[in-house]
Amino acid sequence: EDKVVQSPLSLVVHEGDTVTLNCSYEVTNFRSLLWYKQEKKAPTFLFMLTSSGIEKKSGRLSSILDKKELFSILNITATQTGDSAVYLCAVEARDAGNMLTFGGGTRLMVKP
Amino acid sequence: EAQVTQNPRYLITVTGKKLTVTCSQNMNHEYMSWYRQDPGLGLRQIYYSMNVEVTDKGDVPEGYKVSRKEKRNFPLILESPSPNQTSLYFCASSYRGLNYPQHFGDGTRLSIL
Repeated sequence: EDKVVQSPLSLVVHEGDTVTLNCSYEVTNFRSLLWYKQEKKAPTFLFMLTSSGIEKKSGRLSSILDKKELFSILNITATQTGDSAVYLCAVEARDAGNMLTFGGGTRLMVKP
Repeated sequence: EAQVTQNPRYLITVTGKKLTVTCSQNMNHEYMSWYRQDPGLGLRQIYYSMNVEVTDKGDVPEGYKVSRKEKRNFPLILESPSPNQTSLYFCASSYRGLNYPQHFGDGTRLSIL
């Protein structure tokens, strides 16, 4: 059974701090890993990673994938209160048809 | 504005009373999907559709039905709802399968008493 585990479960930081969120996975025939940000409502797409070692970057957010060790990290530098959200990691496996397996999420709270 | 629209946003109903949650997207996307989100369990896929008239079961399809008669609409049907289907439901769509990011609706909170 495909498995995606995120850590930590929750995190409280102060504005300006840098955070690293982790996502490890066990899937057969990995295809891609995705990160989403969920504030009050719908998850919104952040990154899609398919290749090891290539950093994807968007402003203060960046992410990288390690296909050998089966994990990804999401970094947020100079955090702001608007970064407070649940961050979701999802993995697509070739054998799973066209389905995603989501992790349980990391709840990030950024205090002023 | 490009969006995925779900209705209703909130619903409280009773066991056994059939209900439908509608989902519509205006982006001409081929792929559509339904998820439920429960505390501690994350998002779990119920059904998905690669295109019109093509639907497939996800991880937790029991107790649900879907249809895809038109490209833009993908309703979720609970024929005989039960309390364990109380959850937050999301519809999502993408241009063509999972190689493209999914756009999510704002969610439908269902309470089955």
